[in-house]
Amino acid sequence: DVKVTQSSRYLVKRTGEKVFLECVQDMDHENMFWYRQDPGLGLRLIYFSYDVKMKEKGDIPEGYSVSREKKERFSLILESASTNQTSMYLCASSLTGVPLFGEQYFGPGTRLTVT
Amino acid sequence: AQSVTQLDSQVPVFEEAPVELRCNYSSSVSVYLFWYVQYPNQGLQLLLKYLSGSTLVESINGFEAEFNKSQTSFHLRKPSVHISDTAEYFCAVSKETSGSRLTFGEGTQLTVNP
Repeated sequence: DVKVTQSSRYLVKRTGEKVFLECVQDMDHENMFWYRQDPGLGLRLIYFSYDVKMKEKGDIPEGYSVSREKKERFSLILESASTNQTSMYLCASSLTGVPLFGEQYFGPGTRLTVT
Repeated sequence: AQSVTQLDSQVPVFEEAPVELRCNYSSSVSVYLFWYVQYPNQGLQLLLKYLSGSTLVESINGFEAEFNKSQTSFHLRKPSVHISDTAEYFCAVSKETSGSRLTFGEGTQLTVNP
């Protein structure tokens, strides 16, 4: 089974802190994604990566950056956390190409609270 | 740009009743369509998908969805729900040219009551 793990289930940080969220997948997937999930808004894509050291902005990249130095690891960085970044953060990974197109495997999520 | 609209934010039903969760999408090109499910305190997992071929697709736990191109819909149905189907359901759409990116709807919370 594909396994996507996230470094923390719950995290509490203070406004202005630099925050690192880590994600690791164990199935050699090319693509990795970071989403935030908010009630009534569904999942919104922050950044994604289709290869090591490659990244593309998603729909809401402002206030975030990412790093992918190894294929299995994709990090989300909040340079200076703000209260409006309090949310559930979900990491996902996937392979490229049909018939597995669109099949993303998700981690359990990190609930981040910024106070 | 493509978008996805889930028409109901919450759907309460009684056990063994039928259910339909509605999803509409907007896109000017051919799309691929997905339903994901999120059980409490878990990440999302793929329930079913439409890439091509038969417009009716089924999951292993009795859900089905029908791709309707003329109505730009991909509604999810189950003829008889169980308590264990209580979860949040997300519709998602993608274009082949967008790589593996998915655009998700707002989610529908299905609550099955005894």
